[in-house]
Amino acid sequence: EPEVTQTPSHQVTQMGQEVILRCVPISNHLYFYWYRQILGQKVEFLVSFYNNEISEKSEIFDDQFSVERPDGSNFTLKIRSTKLEDSAMYFCASSEVLGQGYGYTFGSGTRLTVV
Amino acid sequence: AQSVTQLDSHVSVSEGTPVLLRCNYSSSYSPSLFWYVQHPNKGLQLLLKYTSAATLVKGINGFEAEFKKSETSFHLTKPSAHMSDAAEYFCVVSVYNQGGKLIFGQGTELSVKP
Repeated sequence: EPEVTQTPSHQVTQMGQEVILRCVPISNHLYFYWYRQILGQKVEFLVSFYNNEISEKSEIFDDQFSVERPDGSNFTLKIRSTKLEDSAMYFCASSEVLGQGYGYTFGSGTRLTVV
Repeated sequence: AQSVTQLDSHVSVSEGTPVLLRCNYSSSYSPSLFWYVQHPNKGLQLLLKYTSAATLVKGINGFEAEFKKSETSFHLTKPSAHMSDAAEYFCVVSVYNQGGKLIFGQGTELSVKP
């Protein structure tokens, strides 16, 4: 079964450093998403991406965050200057079809720890 | 605004006994509802989805859920728990007219005792 692949599985970074989280969506999927889960809290929507641009973003997704699809296969989330509160599990997801009734395929997540 | 509430943060059952994970939703529109499961160190896997067709939805691994509009509920059940069912389960609603954005419940951790 096709998978969404995320790397690394765990990243530790110093506060103020830039991090890039990488995702390889399913090859024929057109819609891409990032979600995050702070320990003990709900999974939260960050951003959706289609046709090389952001289609929706949450209040969390401020100027410190950016997304990119640099080469047609990878989908990245960059955090420019990490803060302690960015520590969370970050999930990438993709879907073939856009619409209310369709589920996504999620990756296994990257656990980001900011120290 | 749409939201989901999972009524139990942790449920513990014995192997072979029924599973019930409770979820209530709030939505001004006819909702699309999902259950996802996350096993340790794995991604979020879609168990089943409701999209205004049959109110009783069957999913993978013997799970099913019933959409009850009068009770605004979408509880997940399984007749007989298996050790491999131990995982975190998320009830999820799709936000109306926001291109597939999902809102998650806080999750229910299911433990299965031998």
